[in-house]
Amino acid sequence: DTGVSQNPRHKITKRGQNVTFRCDPISEHNRLYWYRQTLGQGPEFLTYFQNEAQLEKSRLLSDRFSAERPKGSFSTLEIQRTEQGDSAMYLCASSWRGNQPQHFGDGTRLSIL
Amino acid sequence: GQQLNQSPQSMFIQEGEDVSMNCTSSSIFNTWLWYKQDPGEGPVLLIALYKAGELTSNGRLTAQFGITRKDSFLNISASIPSDVGIYFCAGVNTGNQFYFGTGTSLTVIP
Repeated sequence: DTGVSQNPRHKITKRGQNVTFRCDPISEHNRLYWYRQTLGQGPEFLTYFQNEAQLEKSRLLSDRFSAERPKGSFSTLEIQRTEQGDSAMYLCASSWRGNQPQHFGDGTRLSIL
Repeated sequence: GQQLNQSPQSMFIQEGEDVSMNCTSSSIFNTWLWYKQDPGEGPVLLIALYKAGELTSNGRLTAQFGITRKDSFLNISASIPSDVGIYFCAGVNTGNQFYFGTGTSLTVIP
């Protein structure tokens, strides 16, 4: 069990730039989730996939955010035209089924200059 | 998004003391989970609870699924320095949506 892997671990970029994060879930897990976490808060749900299908998106996921999971394995989260408020830790999690516990990666910390 | 209420927000305890924290919601959940998060890392699952009234232990940790299905409790016995971190509860509803608590920050003084 290699766990959930996220890359990069840290990303520093200027406001207005586009950024892309990658998540590799636990191999046998068909559900993949993206969360955003700001300092002092718990993870907030952004979106999730069952295999390659994106089944739910939070209102937090503005039009500048897009997520894909093209082959039902790894997933990418892209933020276009980044803003100061996008600075946060972006966490990915996976689970075997919908009601099973999610296992988290170590996140990508995004800092917008 | 909805966040569950965790109490206390922070705790400072002496090594060897027991710790209790809880999580409450206005909504009913079918599953309660407890996670621990260290700085710069993702949350790590500690305990999962699937039935109202269920009491489950994992080493020095014990968690309970409240009978109303709107709350859960986590106890840590004989705390040690490596227990330091932020503890999050998470509730899972009938639609398999996960909601996380606001976190309890634990500091253990040697």
